[in-house]
Amino acid sequence: NAGVTQTPKFQVLKTGQSMTLQCAQDMNHEYMSWYRQDPGMGLRLIHYSVGAGITDQGEVPNGYNVSRSTTEDFPLRLLSAAPSQTSVYFCASSYDQGATNEKLFFGSGTQLSVL
Amino acid sequence: ILNVEQSPQSLHVQEGDSTNFTCSFPSSNFYALHWYRWETAKSPEALFVMTLNGDEKKKGRISATLNTKEGYSYLYIKGSQPEDSATYLCAFRSNFGNEKLTFGTGTRLTIIP
Repeated sequence: NAGVTQTPKFQVLKTGQSMTLQCAQDMNHEYMSWYRQDPGMGLRLIHYSVGAGITDQGEVPNGYNVSRSTTEDFPLRLLSAAPSQTSVYFCASSYDQGATNEKLFFGSGTQLSVL
Repeated sequence: ILNVEQSPQSLHVQEGDSTNFTCSFPSSNFYALHWYRWETAKSPEALFVMTLNGDEKKKGRISATLNTKEGYSYLYIKGSQPEDSATYLCAFRSNFGNEKLTFGTGTRLTIIP
């Protein structure tokens, strides 16, 4: 059981470049989300999705795009990378975040550096 | 933006000692409180999801309590072991009608052998 798979694990970009962080889960989870982790700050929600075809903004959505064409995949796109987007990114999913006791399952993270 | 605070920020505990730390969250519009353990170079893993005032959860030597009326949760570790070294995160979900979890900054626990 693969769980939540994130790729790549590491990435270095130049300012202005675009890229997509991939996230896939094989647990038939309805809810998927992207967080970023910065030193001294909690995990901050970028975007989330409660099902295929439905996405919404989190706390820090600027500079990022998402789409959810299938239940399994939830890619995060950086449109024009900026040094402020240097961070560790986590994808997380749960079966149904509308239920009271649904815990999140996290991917292994992507360390992104923007020069 | 919801305020979720954890204290202390970091903690060093001798192996075998017991310890506890705190998560504070808004006392109104409570929906759920999550605890996660995050070991270095790994992904956060869920410990507990707590939903009812007065809830107590236990997993081995780790337990948690919840007070929604005053807006805090305690995480306890009994007889600390080196493998307990990790950052412990709490996350709060309100009942405002969306599915967002707001995370605290974590308590970094180091067990000294």
